[in-house]
Amino acid sequence: AQSVTQPDIHITVSEGASLELRCNYSYGATPYLFWYVQSPGQGLQLLLKYFSGDTLVQGIKGFEAEFKRSQSSFNLRKPSVHWSDAAEYFCAVAGRGNTGKLIFGQGTTLQVKP
Amino acid sequence: GAVVSQHPSRVICKSGTSVKIECRSLDFQATTMFWYRQFPKQSLMLMATSNEGSKATYEQGVEKDKFLINHASLTLSTLTVTSAHPEDSSFYICSARDLLAGAQVTQYFGPGTRLTVL
Repeated sequence: AQSVTQPDIHITVSEGASLELRCNYSYGATPYLFWYVQSPGQGLQLLLKYFSGDTLVQGIKGFEAEFKRSQSSFNLRKPSVHWSDAAEYFCAVAGRGNTGKLIFGQGTTLQVKP
Repeated sequence: GAVVSQHPSRVICKSGTSVKIECRSLDFQATTMFWYRQFPKQSLMLMATSNEGSKATYEQGVEKDKFLINHASLTLSTLTVTSAHPEDSSFYICSARDLLAGAQVTQYFGPGTRLTVL
């Protein structure tokens, strides 16, 4: 079955510290991969996406993610977290067909300590 | 670019009434829009896929007669919650795919609509 797993439900980091949010997927073939961020009471904002090519992708707000086919992972990283990064983060995948349906992970809540 | 709006952002209604939520792509055309429901502290649940000019495709378990979707143009889709009940209270989010984007699968999300049914 197709699924996305974000093993960490809640993560707390200190401001200025590095961050890595994990994402693993189960899919028949390499899907399109996405990370979205959601602030409280808001919609989702696209941070970055991977379709093909370089497996290290850069996104907005200083985020990057690395696609590792052998591990079926697409982990999100940021070298130095800012207090404004506190939010809910969702990893999602979509098949390479034309339906465009996204399968979301459960989300990871990021808390930033001053 | 790729901005999606939703209206209203928040609505409170009485049980038994119907509520319409609009989703608009402001700076691009979207042949496909998606409607999601999100419960507190949970992920997004896809309700239906809305295609311009055709009937929506509903996910299993979603009542099509209760959640009416109309995709009237390339920039507008509406979700009407008919005969709303308190259990329909939720955060509803729409998204749209950019027709002209190089990779059409990228979805851009609206800010969401908080529905409270009394």
